[in-house]
Amino acid sequence: EPEVTQTPSHQVTQMGQEVILRCVPISNHLYFYWYRQILGQKVEFLVSFYNNEISEKSEIFDDQFSVERPDGSNFTLKIRSTKLEDSAMYFCASSARLASGGYTFGSGTRLTVV
Amino acid sequence: QQPVQSPQAVILREGEDAVINCSSSKALYSVHWYRQKHGEAPVFLMILLKGGEQKGHDKISASFNEKKQQSSLYLTASQLSYSGTYFCGTEQTGANNLFFGTGTRLTVIP
Repeated sequence: EPEVTQTPSHQVTQMGQEVILRCVPISNHLYFYWYRQILGQKVEFLVSFYNNEISEKSEIFDDQFSVERPDGSNFTLKIRSTKLEDSAMYFCASSARLASGGYTFGSGTRLTVV
Repeated sequence: QQPVQSPQAVILREGEDAVINCSSSKALYSVHWYRQKHGEAPVFLMILLKGGEQKGHDKISASFNEKKQQSSLYLTASQLSYSGTYFCGTEQTGANNLFFGTGTRLTVIP
């Protein structure tokens, strides 16, 4: 069964450093998403991406965050200057259709900012 | 915009039934249901697109009342494998995002 692949699975970084989280969505999916989940809490929407541009973003997704699809397969989330409160599990997801398809989530990247 | 789920947690014995509710203050186009096991990613269960629609997935089914902006997930004859946190996700018309509910932790015991 096709899956969404995320790397790395764990990332520890010092406060103020930049991190890039990588995702390879399912190949025939057109809609891509980043979510985060602070330990034991709700799954929070960050950003959606379609046709090489951001479709929507939440208030969490401020100027410190950016997304890119540098080639035909990768989808990245960059955090420019990490803060302690950025520590969370970050999930990438993709979907084949808008508003009628389920999301397939990757296994996540656990980011720890120290 | 975040939907509200109830109950927050439920404990069942194997074979018992449960209902998880999800409600939104916004008009909805669709409702998704996901299950997340500890330390894993959410896994898609089903999507409901139309008001009054019901869907089934083995012994797990769901309904969507578009007018009330509510959805319910029904788990019947629960199995140990049903344990996990259940999230509803809601989409509004024309939106390209999914807002997840507050989650319901389901524990099935022998």
